[in-house]
Amino acid sequence: QQPVQSPQAVILREGEDAVINCSSSKALYSVHWYRQKHGEAPVFLMILLKGGEQKGHEKISASFNEKKQQSSLYLTASQLSYSGTYFCGPFTGGGNKLTFGTGTQLKVEL
Amino acid sequence: NAGVTQTPKFQVLKTGQSMTLQCAQDMNHEYMSWYRQDPGMGLRLIHYSVGAGITDQGEVPNGYNVSRSTTEDFPLRLLSAAPSQTSVYFCASSRLTADTEAFFGQGTRLTVV
Repeated sequence: QQPVQSPQAVILREGEDAVINCSSSKALYSVHWYRQKHGEAPVFLMILLKGGEQKGHEKISASFNEKKQQSSLYLTASQLSYSGTYFCGPFTGGGNKLTFGTGTQLKVEL
Repeated sequence: NAGVTQTPKFQVLKTGQSMTLQCAQDMNHEYMSWYRQDPGMGLRLIHYSVGAGITDQGEVPNGYNVSRSTTEDFPLRLLSAAPSQTSVYFCASSRLTADTEAFFGQGTRLTVV
């Protein structure tokens, strides 16, 4: 089953903060986050591992709750360049397949 | 390094035609996968492979075949194209560990008329 993201879409003024949530029905080994600009391929942002280790972006942070099988992406002091669609990608066991969430469209305006 | 290369970038097919979307990576990644992206549906996994000779189905495998004869290549075959297969297709590859990122190809925009 596809991981569920919320909200589906959000509009921010430059400098505002946002939180994107990702919920999986399966146990997670890690959670990936990607951003996709319109007409382009998704690009890696960060990986969250069990135990709290985080690998990736310097300015964007995230959390990973293993017990609740959830992850949240925190975008603080948003910039115009943050606009795009964000996908979470829980890496689950039972086949090592990488599935992606339904996506969150983020638009940052002046 | 070329990374992940997908061809073609655009394709128009008639209903019932067959075709193969090509995907190649030069990073010696064990894991390769195909996704389709439709408005409001996110990225849905079609098929994936954890190594040469090993493939498995994802969430939406019907109407698609894959094979993995080499580590580098993972083609996606549409057997008999249908309008419901109109979508943007992405190929991705990564190492077979939970802590390494996936790299995506530039996508193929397929229209079935």
